[in-house]
Amino acid sequence: QQQVKQSPQSLIVQKGGISIINCAYENTAFDYFPWYQQFPGKGPALLIAIRPDVSEKKEGRFTISFNKSAKQFSLHIMDSQPGDSATYFCAASKSGAGSYQLTFGKGTKLSVIP
Amino acid sequence: AAGVIQSPRHLIKEKRETATLKCYPIPRHDTVYWYQQGPGQDPQFLISFYEKMQSDKGSIPDRFSAQQFSDYHSELNMSSLELGDSALYFCASSLAGRKSSYEQYFGPGTRLTVT
Repeated sequence: QQQVKQSPQSLIVQKGGISIINCAYENTAFDYFPWYQQFPGKGPALLIAIRPDVSEKKEGRFTISFNKSAKQFSLHIMDSQPGDSATYFCAASKSGAGSYQLTFGKGTKLSVIP
Repeated sequence: AAGVIQSPRHLIKEKRETATLKCYPIPRHDTVYWYQQGPGQDPQFLISFYEKMQSDKGSIPDRFSAQQFSDYHSELNMSSLELGDSALYFCASSLAGRKSSYEQYFGPGTRLTVT
C-alpha cells in the first residue's frame, strides 16, 4: 500500500507559469512533510518542508500548502524556469526512536519549456 | 558547505559477488540513513543508525548488512549480489535534535550495476 500518493506523474509547464504537484498521505502519525528535487544521476536535494501545525510555508518561488483534515499537501513553483526541470518527490516522516525514515511518493517529472 | 560523501560513485559487480558502499555524513551529523532507488522509482528506506546503533530497519534483504563506526561514517555490505540489486544507493545524514532530526541531506549516491 502506497502510504504517500503523488500526482501527476509528469508535468509540462511553460516558462513563467505555475507548477503544482499534489500529494496525499494515509498515516496520521506523519508529522513532517518535505519536498525533494532530484536531477538525473544526482541525490535528492531538500527543497522545502512543512509541519502539520501550519497551513502554508513559502521560500522564494516555492510554496507548500498543507491541508491536515484532507491529509493532503502540495508544492507550488511560481515563475517556473527551465532550470527547475527535474523530478520532484514529496515525502513524509514521523518521529521515532532515533529514526525519522522518509516515505516517498512516486515522483513527478517536471519539464519547463521555454 | 560540506555535504555527504559516498564512495565509490560507480560500482560494477558480477552476480554472487560482494560489494561495500561507504558513506561519510556531514560533519557533526550523528544519524545515517540508507536508501535504495531503482530506475524510475522513488527511494526506498533500507536501514538507519543513530549514535552507532541501528535505529530502524526497512526493506533491507538479509544479504545486506550495515554498521556505523565511531567516526560516524557508515558502510553498507551487500553479499550474494543479484541482478535486481542494481540500483542507486543513497546515504543521507541528519543531526539529532528537536527540529533538525527530521532534515535529511542526501549524498550523490553510488550506482551499483550487477551483471
